[in-house]
Amino acid sequence: SQKIEQNSEALNIQEGKTATLTCNYTNYSPAYLQWYRQDPGRGPVFLLLIRENEKEKRKERLKVTFDTTLKQSLFHITASQPADSATYLCALSGGYNKLIFGAGTRLAVHP
Amino acid sequence: NAGVTQTPKFRVLKTGQSMTLLCAQDMNHEYMYWYRQDPGMGLRLIHYSVGEGTTAKGEVPDGYNVSRLKKQNFLLGLESAAPSQTSVYFCATYGENYAAIGETQYFGPGTRLLVL
Repeated sequence: SQKIEQNSEALNIQEGKTATLTCNYTNYSPAYLQWYRQDPGRGPVFLLLIRENEKEKRKERLKVTFDTTLKQSLFHITASQPADSATYLCALSGGYNKLIFGAGTRLAVHP
Repeated sequence: NAGVTQTPKFRVLKTGQSMTLLCAQDMNHEYMYWYRQDPGMGLRLIHYSVGEGTTAKGEVPDGYNVSRLKKQNFLLGLESAAPSQTSVYFCATYGENYAAIGETQYFGPGTRLLVL
């Protein structure tokens, strides 16, 4: 069966550092991969989408890489700020754009 | 432009009671989805719809029914609630996201359901 793994432990970093979150998947060949942000008590909010033929995608302080050989995506937040503290979800797309989500990684950025 | 809204925000049910969760969208999107989110687990797809009058089962459909009588509304029903259905329920729509140069899902704020 399809499986998506994200670091279950919270990631704690200092303000100004780069946060790197990992998403690994098995038994799947997605056309594209998405990253969402979720704050407590709220629904997920879309951040970035990367296609299978793209190696890297950037948006402001965010960068996503996608290695279909390793079946892995890395999500980076540079110059992190306390406001970046949230849970970050990785999702793979299926038919009819049904999304398969990882459990998410909680990021805490400390001043 | 409200996007995706969900009603109610929070509900407590007793085992065996029934209820309907309402999802409404004003983005004219064809596809709509219902997910549930439990602690330590990713969002899991319950049912989805690819257009008015259509519905299909997702990963965890048992104990739920859905209807899409109008394009803008997607209803999730629990006929006989069980404690295992205690969860946070999210509705989502799928459509063009010009910032993404592609199509992504837009999520509602969620409904927190507690079944005693």
